[in-house]
Amino acid sequence: DTEVTQTPKHLVMGMTNKKSLKCEQHMGHRAMYWYKQKAKKPPELMFVYSYEKLSINESVPSRFSPECPNSSLLNLHLHALQPEDSALYLCASSQAGTAAYEQYFGPGTRLTVT
Amino acid sequence: QKEVEQNSGPLSVPEGAIASLNCTYSDRGSQSFFWYRQYSGKSPELIMSIYSNGDKEDGRFTAQLNKASQYVSLLIRDSQPSDSATYLCAVNLNSGGSNYKLTFGKGTLLTVNP
Repeated sequence: DTEVTQTPKHLVMGMTNKKSLKCEQHMGHRAMYWYKQKAKKPPELMFVYSYEKLSINESVPSRFSPECPNSSLLNLHLHALQPEDSALYLCASSQAGTAAYEQYFGPGTRLTVT
Repeated sequence: QKEVEQNSGPLSVPEGAIASLNCTYSDRGSQSFFWYRQYSGKSPELIMSIYSNGDKEDGRFTAQLNKASQYVSLLIRDSQPSDSATYLCAVNLNSGGSNYKLTFGKGTLLTVNP
């Protein structure tokens, strides 16, 4: 059983909507990640938070806004998305944010932008 | 461009056979190597991590690492139909300065035929 949870499981939103994806981990990890995965492609890193500070932003468009309220929670705020942003959004966590440690993924949120 | 490359597949093996999945990486400084399994429509699941040259066994899975050849592999013994999935190789690659990020190969689709 995964100890990284994500809500919602599915989300359909229009291009003018504002919505948020939520992630929570219960493993005491100090690094959390957002990845985007399109069909038949590997996950692509979007953001890394290490000790609740944003450490990596992979040049993600500003319509995606991450937030880390505490070491267990990670949010991704969505605004004015495009249909090409439809994908599986994955949250992951690890002991620290150097990519040297094992990352554990949540079940993902499948996002459809109409 | 620092990369992780995998056999494109698909790889098809009969039930009970050994499945061999291969991966090469471009960054000689990489220290951490991971194999994830991803079933269709699900999130990646960590199945093996390896940090030192040689073999690491966990049940029916064996990971092999050769840093000199920049090669990592995953062997699945006594393959079962439930092993049918996409297998993602992931390596921590230097992304500039002291930053490392987990970089995935494109994945190999494995089908185990009953």
